[in-house]
Amino acid sequence: DTAVSQTPKYLVTQMGNDKSIKCEQNLGHDTMYWYKQDSKKFLKIMFSYNNKELIINETVPNRFSPKSPDKAHLNLHINSLELGDSAVYFCASSLRTSGKFFGPGTRLTVL
Amino acid sequence: AQTVTQSQPEMSVQEAETVTLSCTYDTSESDYYLFWYKQPPSRQMILVIRQEAYKQQNATENRFSVNFQKAAKSFSLKISDSQLGDAAMYFCAYRSVNDMRFGAGTRLTVKP
Repeated sequence: DTAVSQTPKYLVTQMGNDKSIKCEQNLGHDTMYWYKQDSKKFLKIMFSYNNKELIINETVPNRFSPKSPDKAHLNLHINSLELGDSAVYFCASSLRTSGKFFGPGTRLTVL
Repeated sequence: AQTVTQSQPEMSVQEAETVTLSCTYDTSESDYYLFWYKQPPSRQMILVIRQEAYKQQNATENRFSVNFQKAAKSFSLKISDSQLGDAAMYFCAYRSVNDMRFGAGTRLTVKP
């Protein structure tokens, strides 16, 4: 009965590769998010989708592209991975005024 | 843009004692929500407590309570009777309709 799930939990890959991280929520929430947590533990929002529409798109490289096939899914595609992309990526979901429920995080390591 | 500031990168507390984590925020909105999240070493983000800006009464959840000062834009978290399991990173967060921001986090150490 996992609320917000992410796959994979760990991802190790070479520079220049393209990879995807999947996120699914079964809470019936209408808004989903992607956050990046860097080595200093700072959480930074990347994208936010409400009812499949992009509502927040922070200044991130256009190598990062979110895809929301439906309200329960928000996947993150990353092209041409760079060393600086190494971080923990969190997916989260919420209703309009609620706190967020976070996924377990995906630790991405770019070699 | 709204900002959230946690001025204490690290805090420590003796087991069973009380500790207060500080958070200030900047906003021009009147309708918003504030949260404290806990991130233990497992990395899972756990919602600890939330406060609606329109409510004057401070939120309380068991040993966790907040001191919400709307005019001062301050939202501190008090942990009473600290336990070893409280050791974690704590993030203060601000949310309006379409925006949510986190502070940089405070690492809390609990000493036995």
